Amino acid sequence: QVQLVQSGAEVKRPGASVKISCKASGYTFTSHYIHWVRQAPGQGLEWMGTIHPSGGATSYTQNFQGRVTMTRDTSTNTVYMELGSLRSEDTAVYYCAREDARPIFGVVFGGFFDYWGQGTLVTVSS
Amino acid sequence: DIQMTQSPSSLSASVGDRVTITCRATQSISNYLNWYQQKPGKAPRLLIYVASSLQSGVPSRFSGGGSGTDFTLTISSLQPEDFATYYCHQSYSTPWTFGQGTKVEIK
Repeated sequence: QVQLVQSGAEVKRPGASVKISCKASGYTFTSHYIHWVRQAPGQGLEWMGTIHPSGGATSYTQNFQGRVTMTRDTSTNTVYMELGSLRSEDTAVYYCAREDARPIFGVVFGGFFDYWGQGTLVTVSS
Repeated sequence: DIQMTQSPSSLSASVGDRVTITCRATQSISNYLNWYQQKPGKAPRLLIYVASSLQSGVPSRFSGGGSGTDFTLTISSLQPEDFATYYCHQSYSTPWTFGQGTKVEIK
């Protein structure tokens, strides 16, 4: 069965960096984009960006440009998300999610997240 | 960026009620609209993709509709396990964006 298992909770000081892992299993790792979505306490969902595990191509939202780096290790089926220059507003649960694509009436549609990691709480506090 | 606005932000309903949540985009997103359910402390769960396709394993009381800028999520007969927060999500253009969420509470 498909699983995305994330690394554990982190506590960081302002200005530091955090690197979260997301280990995939149960499917062909290089066939699906992995996205990162975060959720601040009591708030909604915010898309951060994506990586394609096959070639490593990435796309980040402007809000995180220059601070976020997504990488992958195809030998361990693991995707990483590193966020730097942390501030208190970065305190959130960070999720990885697998994007799927399916044919509907002969046309392939993608862009939806069918499997999610369990989430990693990152707390930024001095 | 495309903004997604859900209404209502919260609602109170009883078991067995029919519930409809709407989601409006600031520009046309064709059918690139998905719905997720999230319970406290849990990751979101995909319910509906591409506006109206039911995800495998999701009960048929959930349905989605709409295209362009206006979309709906309907729960035909609310069950106790449906009390949760629901999010719409557009994947038409980056940055992908979510609605602010609709919290469905017990009346």
